[in-house]
Amino acid sequence: AQTVTQSQPEMSVQEAETVTLSCTYDTSENNYYLFWYKQPPSRQMILVIRQEAYKQQNATENRFSVNFQKAAKSFSLKISDSQLGDTAMYFCAFESNFNKFYFGSGTKLNVKP
Amino acid sequence: DSGVTQTPKHLITATGQRVTLRCSPRSGDLSVYWYQQSLDQGLQFLIHYYNGEERAKGNILERFSAQQFPDLHSELNLSSLELGDSALYFCASSVHSGEWSNEQFFGPGTRLTVL
Repeated sequence: AQTVTQSQPEMSVQEAETVTLSCTYDTSENNYYLFWYKQPPSRQMILVIRQEAYKQQNATENRFSVNFQKAAKSFSLKISDSQLGDTAMYFCAFESNFNKFYFGSGTKLNVKP
Repeated sequence: DSGVTQTPKHLITATGQRVTLRCSPRSGDLSVYWYQQSLDQGLQFLIHYYNGEERAKGNILERFSAQQFPDLHSELNLSSLELGDSALYFCASSVHSGEWSNEQFFGPGTRLTVL
């Protein structure tokens, strides 16, 4: 069975600094997709970044980048130059070969001024 | 605004009752997904429909059912409601080309409270 684990329930970072959120997953599948979603206090779910498992190159989206280690089943999110608007819950998610989705329990990120 | 609409925004009902949640996907999106988010928890994937047909099923209870209509809107039916069903229910849609979902766009959610 697929599982997604986020071991950091809560993190804080100073504005303009860099923070890394951790995610590990377990699967026996060889091809899949990984995602990071952001959920601000409004509760809207917003896609931050997406990674295809067969691509070795780490995905980047502006200030957001991932460190994808397939052998270690690790998928961390790095946020550079943190902004107050980055304050939110961040969820790591996995899409299996059968279009099923699995979400982690989330990391609450607080960006301090 | 993601382009995905969900109605109603809030729903308060009693145990044992039945409710229907509605979702309209973005124009052109063939796939609809339903998720349940209990208080301060991650999302639980319930079910995925593609162009009217069930494509994948997650941890959906037998008391819950869903369907996607020819106009591509979807409904999630929850029956014999229990206190533990209180949650935020999200709908998402995607274009879904090929095997994979591509980017999912989430609606604002329906907050269900069971008293």
